[in-house]
Amino acid sequence: QKEVEQNSGPLSVPEGAIASLNCTYSDRVSQSFFWYRQYSGKSPELIMSIYSNGDKEDGRFTAQLNKASQYVSLLIRDSQPSDSATYLCAVNRGNNDMRFGAGTRLTVKP
Amino acid sequence: EAQVTQNPRYLITVTGKKLTVTCSQNMNHEYMSWYRQDPGLGLRQIYYSMNVEVTDKGDVPEGYKVSRKEKRNFPLILESPSPNQTSLYFCASSSLGWETQYFGPGTRLLVL
Repeated sequence: QKEVEQNSGPLSVPEGAIASLNCTYSDRVSQSFFWYRQYSGKSPELIMSIYSNGDKEDGRFTAQLNKASQYVSLLIRDSQPSDSATYLCAVNRGNNDMRFGAGTRLTVKP
Repeated sequence: EAQVTQNPRYLITVTGKKLTVTCSQNMNHEYMSWYRQDPGLGLRQIYYSMNVEVTDKGDVPEGYKVSRKEKRNFPLILESPSPNQTSLYFCASSSLGWETQYFGPGTRLLVL
């Protein structure tokens, strides 16, 4: 079992819809959780971080964390074609041990 | 402009020929890290450094070396590259731990 698992996609949504990206992790001691966006041929950039159970909203993005279920998700409201990218889930397991998922490719169709 | 730079951006080499990929950041960050990215495997941490002269192994350190003699630089050294080290490499830096990592533009390496 991979430490951080994501559906590779591609996930395709129409413009204006809500895109829902999911991530599960295996290590219960994981402390902090991140979502990175990576455009094709570019480097990852941090878009959200979340540390405690519940929801965290930032503009059109909402991160959700459920530590009991070992589940992290990212919702993108009013999806735009510019949101088309690969989204990487990352988990800090403590002791400087960062683990990334393989990413979910999102396509937003005009 | 705050940035992480890597050189070279593209490199084709042959098995066994030593190479160094440089990484430099201008944000005075304490933490620096190297990752490799492979299809289906995501980003995997190779080595990281929490400060000058402090380095430690990440998830996949075999075949790699690093050094941190200056705060701004964190070179990745492949003493004897092999084809299984063909990958896309990213350097990253952050302050206050790993909470916000800034990634360099990446170095695409092909080992023949």
